Amino acid sequence: AQKITQTQPGMFVQEKEAVTLDCTYDTSDPSYGLFWYKQPSSGEMIFLIYQGSYDQQNATEGRYSLNFQKARKSANLVISASQLGDSAMYFCAMRPHSGGYQKVTFGTGTKLQVIP
Amino acid sequence: ETGVTQTPRHLVMGMTNKKSLKCEQHLGHNAMYWYKQSAKKPLELMFVYSLEERVENNSVPSRFSPECPNSSHLFLHLHTLQPEDSALYLCASSQEGTGRTTEAFFGQGTRLTVV
Repeated sequence: AQKITQTQPGMFVQEKEAVTLDCTYDTSDPSYGLFWYKQPSSGEMIFLIYQGSYDQQNATEGRYSLNFQKARKSANLVISASQLGDSAMYFCAMRPHSGGYQKVTFGTGTKLQVIP
Repeated sequence: ETGVTQTPRHLVMGMTNKKSLKCEQHLGHNAMYWYKQSAKKPLELMFVYSLEERVENNSVPSRFSPECPNSSHLFLHLHTLQPEDSALYLCASSQEGTGRTTEAFFGQGTRLTVV
Protein backbone atom coordinates (compact mmCIF):
# COMPACT_ATOMS: atom_id res chain seq x y z
CA ALA A 1 0.00 0.00 0.00
CA GLN A 2 1.08 3.55 -0.68
CA LYS A 3 0.71 6.59 1.49
CA ILE A 4 1.47 10.28 0.95
CA THR A 5 1.69 12.68 3.88
CA GLN A 6 1.64 16.44 3.59
CA THR A 7 1.88 17.83 7.09
CA GLN A 8 1.44 21.51 6.25
CA PRO A 9 -2.22 22.34 5.66
CA GLY A 10 -1.30 25.98 4.99
CA MET A 11 1.82 28.05 4.34
CA PHE A 12 2.58 31.74 3.88
CA VAL A 13 5.55 33.11 1.97
CA GLN A 14 6.67 36.61 1.11
CA GLU A 15 6.76 37.46 -2.56
CA LYS A 16 10.20 36.80 -4.12
CA GLU A 17 11.20 34.48 -1.29
CA ALA A 18 11.70 30.72 -1.62
CA VAL A 19 9.37 28.23 0.03
CA THR A 20 9.55 24.49 0.69
CA LEU A 21 6.43 22.34 0.75
CA ASP A 22 6.89 19.05 2.57
CA CYS A 23 5.93 15.63 1.32
CA THR A 24 6.78 12.24 2.79
CA TYR A 25 5.72 8.94 1.37
CA ASP A 26 5.60 5.27 2.12
CA THR A 27 5.55 2.45 -0.38
CA SER A 28 6.61 -1.15 -0.80
CA ASP A 29 7.14 -0.75 -4.54
CA PRO A 30 10.80 -0.88 -5.56
CA SER A 31 10.32 1.57 -8.40
CA TYR A 32 7.99 4.55 -8.40
CA GLY A 33 7.47 8.11 -9.48
CA LEU A 34 6.67 11.20 -7.46
CA PHE A 35 4.66 14.15 -8.74
CA TRP A 36 3.64 17.59 -7.67
CA TYR A 37 0.48 19.29 -8.88
CA LYS A 38 -0.75 22.85 -8.40
CA GLN A 39 -4.45 23.58 -8.08
CA PRO A 40 -5.43 27.25 -8.31
CA SER A 41 -8.88 28.43 -7.29
CA SER A 42 -10.09 27.74 -10.83
CA GLY A 43 -9.97 24.04 -10.00
CA GLU A 44 -7.64 22.63 -12.62
CA MET A 45 -4.84 20.37 -11.41
CA ILE A 46 -1.66 21.53 -13.13
CA PHE A 47 1.29 19.14 -13.36
CA LEU A 48 4.49 20.78 -12.09
CA ILE A 49 7.31 18.31 -11.73
CA TYR A 50 8.17 14.63 -11.71
CA GLN A 51 10.90 12.60 -9.95
CA GLY A 52 11.66 8.96 -10.64
CA SER A 53 12.84 6.86 -7.74
CA TYR A 54 15.96 5.81 -9.62
CA ASP A 55 16.81 9.22 -11.00
CA GLN A 56 20.28 10.23 -9.90
CA GLN A 57 19.59 13.92 -9.85
CA ASN A 58 16.83 15.98 -8.28
CA ALA A 59 14.27 17.17 -10.79
CA THR A 60 14.03 20.84 -11.69
CA GLU A 61 11.50 22.70 -13.83
CA GLY A 62 12.04 26.43 -13.98
CA ARG A 63 11.37 27.84 -10.51
CA TYR A 64 10.33 24.42 -9.21
CA SER A 65 12.74 21.87 -7.84
CA LEU A 66 12.14 18.63 -6.05
CA ASN A 67 14.33 17.85 -3.06
CA PHE A 68 14.29 14.07 -3.23
CA GLN A 69 15.75 12.18 -0.28
CA LYS A 70 15.08 8.52 -0.93
CA ALA A 71 16.41 7.20 2.38
CA ARG A 72 14.14 9.56 4.28
CA LYS A 73 11.26 8.95 1.86
CA SER A 74 10.72 12.63 1.32
CA ALA A 75 10.03 14.57 -1.87
CA ASN A 76 9.75 18.22 -0.91
CA LEU A 77 8.84 20.86 -3.47
CA VAL A 78 10.93 24.00 -3.49
CA ILE A 79 9.55 27.09 -5.21
CA SER A 80 12.12 29.82 -5.71
CA ALA A 81 11.34 33.51 -6.12
CA SER A 82 7.66 33.15 -5.19
CA GLN A 83 5.12 35.07 -7.23
CA LEU A 84 1.58 36.11 -6.35
CA GLY A 85 0.33 33.66 -8.97
CA ASP A 86 1.86 30.82 -7.00
CA SER A 87 -0.93 31.10 -4.44
CA ALA A 88 -2.78 27.80 -4.76
CA MET A 89 -3.19 24.31 -3.33
CA TYR A 90 -0.25 22.00 -3.93
CA PHE A 91 -0.59 18.24 -4.02
CA CYS A 92 2.11 15.62 -3.79
CA ALA A 93 1.40 12.27 -5.44
CA MET A 94 3.13 9.01 -6.16
CA ARG A 95 2.67 6.16 -8.55
CA PRO A 96 4.39 2.79 -8.88
CA HIS A 97 6.12 2.14 -12.19
CA SER A 98 4.16 -1.05 -12.56
CA GLY A 99 0.44 -0.72 -13.03
CA GLY A 100 -1.65 2.06 -14.40
CA TYR A 101 -2.32 5.58 -13.21
CA GLN A 102 -5.20 4.23 -11.13
CA LYS A 103 -2.55 3.33 -8.59
CA VAL A 104 -1.65 6.96 -7.98
CA THR A 105 -1.99 8.16 -4.41
CA PHE A 106 -2.46 11.85 -3.59
CA GLY A 107 -1.74 13.74 -0.40
CA THR A 108 -4.24 16.06 1.26
CA GLY A 109 -2.51 19.13 -0.08
CA THR A 110 -0.88 22.32 1.21
CA LYS A 111 -2.47 25.71 0.67
CA LEU A 112 0.20 28.24 -0.21
CA GLN A 113 -0.45 31.95 0.06
CA VAL A 114 2.07 34.41 -1.34
CA ILE A 115 2.04 37.76 0.41
CA PRO A 116 2.98 40.96 -1.47
CA GLU B 1 -7.91 24.37 -27.18
CA THR B 2 -7.03 23.05 -23.73
CA GLY B 3 -5.87 19.46 -23.25
CA VAL B 4 -8.74 18.25 -21.08
CA THR B 5 -12.08 20.04 -21.17
CA GLN B 6 -14.92 19.50 -18.72
CA THR B 7 -18.50 20.69 -18.97
CA PRO B 8 -20.35 22.10 -17.22
CA ARG B 9 -18.05 24.02 -14.91
CA HIS B 10 -20.78 24.40 -12.30
CA LEU B 11 -23.89 22.31 -11.69
CA VAL B 12 -26.64 22.56 -9.11
CA MET B 13 -29.06 19.68 -9.05
CA GLY B 14 -31.84 18.36 -6.88
CA MET B 15 -31.71 14.91 -5.38
CA THR B 16 -34.27 13.57 -7.84
CA ASN B 17 -32.59 14.94 -10.96
CA LYS B 18 -30.56 13.12 -13.58
CA LYS B 19 -27.58 14.90 -15.08
CA SER B 20 -24.34 14.06 -16.85
CA LEU B 21 -20.84 15.46 -16.64
CA LYS B 22 -18.78 15.50 -19.80
CA CYS B 23 -15.05 15.28 -20.33
CA GLU B 24 -13.11 15.50 -23.56
CA GLN B 25 -9.37 15.13 -24.03
CA HIS B 26 -7.42 16.37 -27.05
CA LEU B 27 -4.08 14.83 -26.11
CA GLY B 28 -4.36 11.47 -27.84
CA HIS B 29 -4.19 9.67 -24.51
CA ASN B 30 -5.49 6.14 -24.04
CA ALA B 31 -6.69 6.37 -20.44
CA MET B 32 -9.25 8.60 -18.75
CA TYR B 33 -10.28 9.00 -15.12
CA TRP B 34 -12.93 10.48 -12.87
CA TYR B 35 -11.86 11.83 -9.49
CA LYS B 36 -13.91 13.26 -6.66
CA GLN B 37 -12.39 16.05 -4.60
CA SER B 38 -14.07 16.88 -1.31
CA ALA B 39 -12.86 19.51 1.13
CA LYS B 40 -9.85 18.47 3.21
CA LYS B 41 -9.74 14.97 1.72
CA PRO B 42 -7.29 13.40 -0.73
CA LEU B 43 -8.46 13.03 -4.28
CA GLU B 44 -10.62 9.94 -4.57
CA LEU B 45 -10.33 7.92 -7.75
CA MET B 46 -13.80 6.89 -8.89
CA PHE B 47 -13.40 5.27 -12.30
CA VAL B 48 -10.69 4.47 -14.81
CA TYR B 49 -10.94 3.60 -18.47
CA SER B 50 -7.51 2.43 -19.55
CA LEU B 51 -6.59 0.56 -22.70
CA GLU B 52 -10.29 -0.25 -23.18
CA GLU B 53 -10.54 -1.71 -19.69
CA ARG B 54 -12.76 -0.25 -17.01
CA VAL B 55 -11.60 -0.17 -13.41
CA GLU B 56 -13.76 1.16 -10.63
CA ASN B 57 -13.44 2.00 -6.99
CA ASN B 58 -15.76 -0.39 -5.18
CA SER B 59 -16.71 2.27 -2.68
CA VAL B 60 -18.36 4.49 -5.33
CA PRO B 61 -22.17 4.33 -5.04
CA SER B 62 -24.19 3.06 -7.97
CA ARG B 63 -25.85 6.46 -8.37
CA PHE B 64 -22.67 7.36 -10.27
CA SER B 65 -22.23 5.57 -13.59
CA PRO B 66 -19.46 6.26 -16.09
CA GLU B 67 -19.55 5.96 -19.84
CA CYS B 68 -16.59 6.03 -22.21
CA PRO B 69 -17.78 5.86 -25.82
CA ASN B 70 -14.27 6.35 -27.23
CA SER B 71 -10.77 7.20 -26.06
CA SER B 72 -11.42 10.95 -26.21
CA HIS B 73 -14.72 11.23 -24.37
CA LEU B 74 -15.81 10.34 -20.87
CA PHE B 75 -19.12 10.90 -19.15
CA LEU B 76 -20.29 10.61 -15.58
CA HIS B 77 -24.03 10.03 -15.30
CA LEU B 78 -25.61 11.16 -12.06
CA HIS B 79 -28.98 10.16 -10.63
CA THR B 80 -30.67 10.45 -7.25
CA LEU B 81 -27.62 12.02 -5.67
CA GLN B 82 -27.25 12.93 -2.01
CA PRO B 83 -26.05 16.23 -0.51
CA GLU B 84 -22.78 14.56 0.52
CA ASP B 85 -22.05 14.04 -3.17
CA SER B 86 -21.45 17.77 -3.51
CA ALA B 87 -17.82 18.15 -4.51
CA LEU B 88 -15.45 19.05 -7.32
CA TYR B 89 -15.38 16.30 -9.94
CA LEU B 90 -12.17 16.18 -11.91
CA CYS B 91 -11.50 14.37 -15.14
CA ALA B 92 -7.99 13.39 -16.14
CA SER B 93 -6.22 11.57 -18.94
CA SER B 94 -2.85 9.89 -19.37
CA GLN B 95 -0.92 7.78 -21.82
CA GLU B 96 -0.45 4.27 -20.50
CA GLY B 97 1.62 1.35 -21.68
CA THR B 98 4.69 3.35 -22.68
CA GLY B 99 6.98 1.64 -20.20
CA ARG B 100 7.66 4.84 -18.33
CA THR B 101 5.89 6.58 -15.48
CA THR B 102 3.69 9.31 -16.81
CA GLU B 103 1.73 12.13 -15.32
CA ALA B 104 -1.94 12.75 -15.83
CA PHE B 105 -3.44 15.91 -17.23
CA PHE B 106 -6.53 17.26 -15.54
CA GLY B 107 -9.50 19.29 -16.58
CA GLN B 108 -10.77 22.29 -14.62
CA GLY B 109 -13.42 20.25 -12.92
CA THR B 110 -17.17 20.47 -12.42
CA ARG B 111 -18.27 22.00 -9.14
CA LEU B 112 -21.37 19.98 -8.22
CA THR B 113 -23.85 21.07 -5.59
CA VAL B 114 -26.69 18.74 -4.63
CA VAL B 115 -29.63 20.46 -2.97
